[in-house]
Amino acid sequence: AQSVTQLGSHVSVSEGALVLLRCNYSSSVPPYLFWYVQYPNQGLQLLLKYTSAATLVKGINGFEAEFKKSETSFHLTKPSAHMSDAAEYFCAVSRVGFQKLVFGTGTRLLVSP
Amino acid sequence: EAGVAQSPRYKIIEKRQSVAFWCNPISGHATLYWYQQILGQGPKLLIQFQNNGVVDDSQLPKDRFSAERLKGVDSTLKIQPAKLEDSAVYLCASSYETGWNTEAFFGQGTRLTVV
Repeated sequence: AQSVTQLGSHVSVSEGALVLLRCNYSSSVPPYLFWYVQYPNQGLQLLLKYTSAATLVKGINGFEAEFKKSETSFHLTKPSAHMSDAAEYFCAVSRVGFQKLVFGTGTRLLVSP
Repeated sequence: EAGVAQSPRYKIIEKRQSVAFWCNPISGHATLYWYQQILGQGPKLLIQFQNNGVVDDSQLPKDRFSAERLKGVDSTLKIQPAKLEDSAVYLCASSYETGWNTEAFFGQGTRLTVV
């Protein structure tokens, strides 16, 4: 069975600081990995996805994530946080692309002035 | 392009009552998903349709939950009777096809509170 573990239910950063949201996956087969963002009272929006083409994946809004097989990790980063980045972020894994996504429990990012 | 539409946005019912949610996917999207998102947890897939056929309903509690997509377009998810633990946000998503690289787009969700 596939799963993802997101370390830290809440992460607080100051505006302009580095954002690092952690995700570790468990999969018996090469996985597809995703990061989604959810703003209050909104649906999920895809930030980026890993589909084995490149280990460093760039997404929208300046976010990127690096697939590290040796560490079974897919951490999300952004060099400089903006107030508008405050939201909940979900890591997800699948064996078959966007089908049967298995989500982590989410990390709420708080950005202070 | 219009997004995935869901209604109602909010619903409060008493336990043992029935409730139904409606979803209209993006035009032309053959695949439709219903997810349940309990507070503090990530979304969990309940059911996946390909056109009007069920692809996966392995995590749907079939004793009380049902879903249909009769004409392969919009879909309804029903709970009868509701339990307190059904309180959650119900998200609908759709994608153009079932291909591995076909992005799924999510609606805003219906927040259900069972009291």
